[in-house]
Amino acid sequence: EAEVAQSPRYKITEKSQAVAFWCDPISGHATLYWYRQILGQGPELLVQFQDESVVDDSQLPKDRFSAERLKGVDSTLKIQPAELGDSAMYLCASSPYRGLETQYFGPGTRLLVL
Amino acid sequence: AQTVTQSQPEMSVQEAETVTLSCTYDTSESNYYLFWYKQPPSRQMILVIRQEAYKQQNATENRFSVNFQKAAKSFSLKISDSQLGDTAMYFCAFMFTGNQFYFGTGTSLTVIP
Repeated sequence: EAEVAQSPRYKITEKSQAVAFWCDPISGHATLYWYRQILGQGPELLVQFQDESVVDDSQLPKDRFSAERLKGVDSTLKIQPAELGDSAMYLCASSPYRGLETQYFGPGTRLLVL
Repeated sequence: AQTVTQSQPEMSVQEAETVTLSCTYDTSESNYYLFWYKQPPSRQMILVIRQEAYKQQNATENRFSVNFQKAAKSFSLKISDSQLGDTAMYFCAFMFTGNQFYFGTGTSLTVIP
């Protein structure tokens, strides 16, 4: 069964350092999402891609976060510089189309900023 | 604005018993989907069940079923014959056209042997 892949699974970094997370969606899925999940809370959308284009990044802290999906397949989320408050789980999800579709989640990257 | 509320932060149930998790939502949209996702400890989030708002019939998936009350904006999940593997965080989620999910804060369910 096809799955969303993410790496690394865990990342520890010091504040002010740069970190990057990678996501490979299910093959053929046009829509890709990055979520941030703070411990004890539900995921919150950071950015949504349709193919290689950003369709919603209204909740992305653009002063330090960036995301790209250059060829419309895999995606990278970057934080520079990392802050203590960025410690969270970063989830990637994909769906076949941009519509009322189920989203399939990857295992996530757990980030700890010291 | 869309909001999803899960008023039960933690619940427990004896193995083989039935448990119901509550979820309410607020929206002015008429066409939307509702979902229950399960997130086991240190494992990825997986879909449990989904409900299309235009369907009056409640969705069922094996031991999982929902009670969808559109007028009341309520979407509860019933787990029958609870199993140890059902221990997880359960998130209620709402989606309307545009594909953005709105998640509740989750209910931590523990199945007691």
